[in-house]
Amino acid sequence: DVKVTQSSRYLVKRTGEKVFLECVQDMDHENMFWYRQDPGLGLRLIYFSYDVKMKEKGDIPEGYSVSREKKERFSLILESASTNQTSMYLCASRGHGSGNTIYFGEGSWLTVV
Amino acid sequence: GNSVTQMEGPVTLSEEAFLTINCTYTATGYPSLFWYVQYPGEGLQLLLKATKADDKGSNKGFEATYRKETTSFHLEKGSVQVSDSAVYFCALLNAGGTSYGKLTFGQGTILTVHP
Repeated sequence: DVKVTQSSRYLVKRTGEKVFLECVQDMDHENMFWYRQDPGLGLRLIYFSYDVKMKEKGDIPEGYSVSREKKERFSLILESASTNQTSMYLCASRGHGSGNTIYFGEGSWLTVV
Repeated sequence: GNSVTQMEGPVTLSEEAFLTINCTYTATGYPSLFWYVQYPGEGLQLLLKATKADDKGSNKGFEATYRKETTSFHLEKGSVQVSDSAVYFCALLNAGGTSYGKLTFGQGTILTVHP
């Protein structure tokens, strides 16, 4: 089975802190994604990466950056956390041979106070 | 651009009732369509998918048929169980152009099933 692991399930951070959310997948997938999930808004794409060191902005990239130094790891960075970034963050991955299926991690609940 | 619209929730049903969650989409080309399910406190799991018109995806008693003429992918189950209580997301993936590999999601529908 494909496994997408997010390092932290629950985090509480202060406004202005730099926050790192880590995601690792074990299936040698080329594509990795970060979404945020908010009630009534569904999932919105923040950034995605289609290869090592490659990244593209999604629909809501403002206030976020990403890093993909190794194929298996995709990090989401909040340079200066704000309260409106309190949300559930979901990492996902997809490989060329996976029949278009995207696999999700269990999510990271971030609260910014 | 691509968009997915799901029926408004929440949906509350009694056990063994029939379930329909409507999903319609807007996309160029020939997208793949998905239903994902999110149980309380967990991430999203793929429930079923269809990759071309008239395909029917099915899993765990759930079904959805890719209807290109009505741009729809409605989720159905003949007899729901309490364990089906979850949030259901309809999603679309366009395999070409600048949106390659990205899923576009609907807003999610909360389903609660009572004994």
